[in-house]
Amino acid sequence: AQSVTQLGSHVSVSEGALVLLRCNYSSSVPPYLFWYVQYPNQGLQLLLKYTSAATLVKGINGFEAEFKKSETSFHLTKPSAHMSDAAEYFCAVSHASGGSYIPTFGRGTSLIVHP
Amino acid sequence: NAGVTQTPKFQVLKTGQSMTLQCAQDMNHEYMSWYRQDPGMGLRLIHYSVGAGITDQGEVPNGYNVSRSTTEDFPLRLLSAAPSQTSVYFCASGAPYTEAFFGQGTRLTVV
Repeated sequence: AQSVTQLGSHVSVSEGALVLLRCNYSSSVPPYLFWYVQYPNQGLQLLLKYTSAATLVKGINGFEAEFKKSETSFHLTKPSAHMSDAAEYFCAVSHASGGSYIPTFGRGTSLIVHP
Repeated sequence: NAGVTQTPKFQVLKTGQSMTLQCAQDMNHEYMSWYRQDPGMGLRLIHYSVGAGITDQGEVPNGYNVSRSTTEDFPLRLLSAAPSQTSVYFCASGAPYTEAFFGQGTRLTVV
């Protein structure tokens, strides 16, 4: 079984401040890990993914995440928040369970950026 | 490049009505899935398919049916709509070792 826990349903930062969105996963086999972003009234788009290559993964829009197996974590960071980063962020885990790669999602974290 | 296409984008149903949400992908992906998104609940898996003719239940399958007769299409049927099925529905497709690709969603209201 696989699961994802996102700590904090809302995170509020000032423009220019560090963004840190937390994600912890549970997986009985080596996982694939993803961060998606959802802007209002839109679908989900991929920010970045970890698929057992480099543990520090760089994504779009200046975001990056580090896979830490010992902590079962995959936290998302961005050094300097921009107003356009305000959105819902979802962490997801998948692996070859029963032959499928269907991802399991966390409950999401809403990022609020203040001027 | 269309990717994953969902129709309709919006729908209002009366309690007890049935309807089908359409989903089509043009990337020749093996895996397709349906999620519902509710505030504070994230995305919950309804049904999924790992290939034509193969479907399975996800976390919240009750009240929904699916079939997968072709690689491209994966419709979701609501048998008898209930207010608890008011939600935003997302279809996704994917392949091994890759991310899921999402449609733009269907916003369903059951009154």
